[in-house]
Amino acid sequence: GAGVSQSPSNKVTEKGKDVELRCDPISGHTALYWYRQSLGQGLEFLIYFQGNSAPDKSGLPSDRFSAERTGGSVSTLTIQRTQQEDSAVYLCASSFSWSSTEAFFGQGTRLTVV
Amino acid sequence: DQQVKQNSPSLSVQEGRISILNCDYTNSMFDYFLWYKKYPAEGPTFLISISSIKDKNEDGRFTVFLNKSAKHLSLHIVPSQPGDSAVYFCAALALNTGNQFYFGTGTSLTVIP
Repeated sequence: GAGVSQSPSNKVTEKGKDVELRCDPISGHTALYWYRQSLGQGLEFLIYFQGNSAPDKSGLPSDRFSAERTGGSVSTLTIQRTQQEDSAVYLCASSFSWSSTEAFFGQGTRLTVV
Repeated sequence: DQQVKQNSPSLSVQEGRISILNCDYTNSMFDYFLWYKKYPAEGPTFLISISSIKDKNEDGRFTVFLNKSAKHLSLHIVPSQPGDSAVYFCAALALNTGNQFYFGTGTSLTVIP
């Protein structure tokens, strides 16, 4: 695609429900990363993929968070049993490789847990 | 359509001098702006932000200026240090209309020792 695409753009969910956030990176980009941004705070790194593998999962806030990537393309971030503190904008980005200086971000998914 | 534009893909500055990175936007609904920087082999990191109710925000060597009438913001780094060499992204969002981020394509800053 022309850019990194994320869906949904907005998600409101009830506390305790599971949510899935999707990221479709730029075609040919092997590196994909997930962040979340809470207003007034810095960009919090969650996880990155090189191909289908995730060498570093240390940024995931808890075991309720998981992510996968299939076919070296689309990635899904799943949050189980959502809590109010999970409310944030979840950003996905991709780059040609992990060592690239260029990174292209999606527009984010705004998650609100009520 | 690129709503946030960074028209300079690269910039070189001598150590100790001022670095000025520019960013233009087209959507008048944007009311919150951020700068990120990215080093090779690392993910982007948040640097500084500014709300549209301000025209300046300063944090140490970094100052962001916002000119709403011109739909333009800039990041000033004074004095520039070699460790500042990185790619800088500006981002904008409209807080009341979905809170989606719009990123520029980045400016690669090289600070020459």
